[in-house]
Amino acid sequence: QVQLQESGPGLVKPSETLSLTCAVSGYSISSGYYWGWIRQPPGKGLEWIGSIYHSGSTYYNPSLKSRVTISVDTSKNQFSLKLSSVTAADTAVYYCASPIAVAGAFDIWGQGTMVTVSS
Amino acid sequence: SYVLTQPPSVSVAPGQTARITCGGNNIGSKSVHWYQQKPGQAPVLVVYDDSDRPSGIPERFSGSNSGNTATLTISRVEAGDEADYYCQVWDSSSDHPYVFGTGTKVTVL
Repeated sequence: QVQLQESGPGLVKPSETLSLTCAVSGYSISSGYYWGWIRQPPGKGLEWIGSIYHSGSTYYNPSLKSRVTISVDTSKNQFSLKLSSVTAADTAVYYCASPIAVAGAFDIWGQGTMVTVSS
Repeated sequence: SYVLTQPPSVSVAPGQTARITCGGNNIGSKSVHWYQQKPGQAPVLVVYDDSDRPSGIPERFSGSNSGNTATLTISRVEAGDEADYYCQVWDSSSDHPYVFGTGTKVTVL
């Protein structure tokens, strides 16, 4: 059974870079699938941030593309998110998620991690 | 980018049927997925590819998709169905392949 677990700082200062990691268990990330990041500001809806294929190909939300980098570390079986030049608008719960059994749908989610942007 | 519009809220009495719509331009040509999200929890996939259910999801959850509207139907609504629901589509040819709907809060009266 595939499981995802996010980790990273819960507080980031404005203009700095938000960095999160998603550890994958129950499956070798190098074997396939897309691995994605989704966020949800407090009281608001879901927003897809970007996804990475196991080979390293990346796909980013055009509205965030200039600030987002997603990478894979197959040796640690994890993938990461970096979001630069953050502002208060980037305060959100950040989820890692993946379409494992269903192409195009996120059927596996991490529990989510709250990141607050504040000085 | 592609926009998916949902009603902000739907109210339903226990035992009745809730219908949640998801509007998008020619959405009938796309595969639509639905998620249930309870407070403080990650979303859970309840319907995929318009009308299929993942293992463990009750048959009370069903979906349809045609024209410019997709619909999630919850039959025989229970108190435990109270949650936010989101539709989502995937367009592999788009530069924004994953799009979520605006979300609908289902309240069980």
